[in-house]
Amino acid sequence: AQSVTQPDIHITVSEGASLELRCNYSYGATPYLFWYVQSPGQGLQLLLKYFSGDTLVQGIKGFEAEFKRSQSSFNLRKPSVHWSDAAEYFCAVDRNQAGTALIFGKGTTLSVSS
Amino acid sequence: KAGVTQTPRYLIKTRGQQVTLSCSPISGHRSVSWYQQTPGQGLQFLFEYFSETQRNKGNFPGRFSGRQFSNSRSEMNVSTLELGDSALYLCASRSSGQVTGELFFGEGSRLTVL
Repeated sequence: AQSVTQPDIHITVSEGASLELRCNYSYGATPYLFWYVQSPGQGLQLLLKYFSGDTLVQGIKGFEAEFKRSQSSFNLRKPSVHWSDAAEYFCAVDRNQAGTALIFGKGTTLSVSS
Repeated sequence: KAGVTQTPRYLIKTRGQQVTLSCSPISGHRSVSWYQQTPGQGLQFLFEYFSETQRNKGNFPGRFSGRQFSNSRSEMNVSTLELGDSALYLCASRSSGQVTGELFFGEGSRLTVL
């Protein structure tokens, strides 16, 4: 069965420092992968997605993610974190390859210190 | 363009009651999905509707049901509420015809069961 693991429950990063959030997935075929962000009291916003092709994908707000098939990973990165990036981040894999039935990881809460 | 609208935003029910939540997708979007978000289980897929037909379903008991109307608006219903049904219920819509399209989420309906 498909699953998504986000090993880090909570991460604190200093403002201006780089960020990497880890995501590992379990899926038999080529996965469709997503990163979403959720601010308190808000719904989820798509940061970026990977379906095929270039393994380094660019998203909104300066985020990028790299798909590594050999490691079953899809880690999210940002070179310089801003205080407004504090939120909860979710990695997801598409259950039916139509982008509608997503299996989410448990999320990583990002805190940004000044 | 208005986003995904969910009503009510907050509600409190007691065990044994039933509840109906409403979701209005982005104009032109014909696919509506529902997710349950809890601290313990995270985000879990409930079901997806497209053109008034349920085409995907998650692993939830029959107490959870939904429907979609001809204008693409969707409702979900939970009968015989249990304490464990307390959660944030998120609705997401996607435009039809896109296999790899983005899911747009509403801000959710927060249900508390006492």
